[in-house]
Amino acid sequence: SQQGEEDPQALSIQEGENATMNCSYKTSINNLQWYRQNSGRGLVHLILIRSNEREKHSGRLRVTLDTSKKSSSLLITASRAADTASYFCATAGTGTASKLTFGTGTRLQVTL
Amino acid sequence: NAGVTQTPKFQVLKTGQSMTLQCAQDMNHEYMSWYRQDPGMGLRLIHYSVGAGITDQGEVPNGYNVSRSTTEDFPLRLLSAAPSQTSVYFCASSYSFNGRVQGDTEAFFGQGTRLTVV
Repeated sequence: SQQGEEDPQALSIQEGENATMNCSYKTSINNLQWYRQNSGRGLVHLILIRSNEREKHSGRLRVTLDTSKKSSSLLITASRAADTASYFCATAGTGTASKLTFGTGTRLQVTL
Repeated sequence: NAGVTQTPKFQVLKTGQSMTLQCAQDMNHEYMSWYRQDPGMGLRLIHYSVGAGITDQGEVPNGYNVSRSTTEDFPLRLLSAAPSQTSVYFCASSYSFNGRVQGDTEAFFGQGTRLTVV
């Protein structure tokens, strides 16, 4: 079963606009990660936010985490056509044998 | 650096055939895992390994076997291929931090194997 669920499933914006994707999860986590997948390629790690962090930045990426609501958001500012991809959140549980569990992803289309 | 290498990239099998998907990493990562990706379902964990000689089942292990004889390699075997195993398969590895199994650090993914079972 999927731990994370992204919203929206698909998002289409114009270049220069901001893109916001949300992730909700069900159980307690140690950390939450965001990955990008270009069409036909493997996943690439973007950012990791730990359960005791509320916000993290990396370049044009901003991730927030609200453990009380069991949700996270990924904001991409000033989107570019090259940002067109699917974005997945993944959660790692609190146990010593935790595994990364992925959501179903948000497909982002950035048009010129 | 090669990172995580998967072979083959594409494969077509007939129902009932067996095959092995290869995965190798050169980062000395203890943790390796196999996922399958199906449309609308994200990635689902098949099997994982926390080190050489140790493997365990993930969410969807039926029909698949794994072994981990070395740190570098983690092959996935399809015992008797079925159309339901048509999917894209990804291998991933990560550093095991403080004895925890995956999750504390980023995972590195291979480019995937697109498998079709007819």
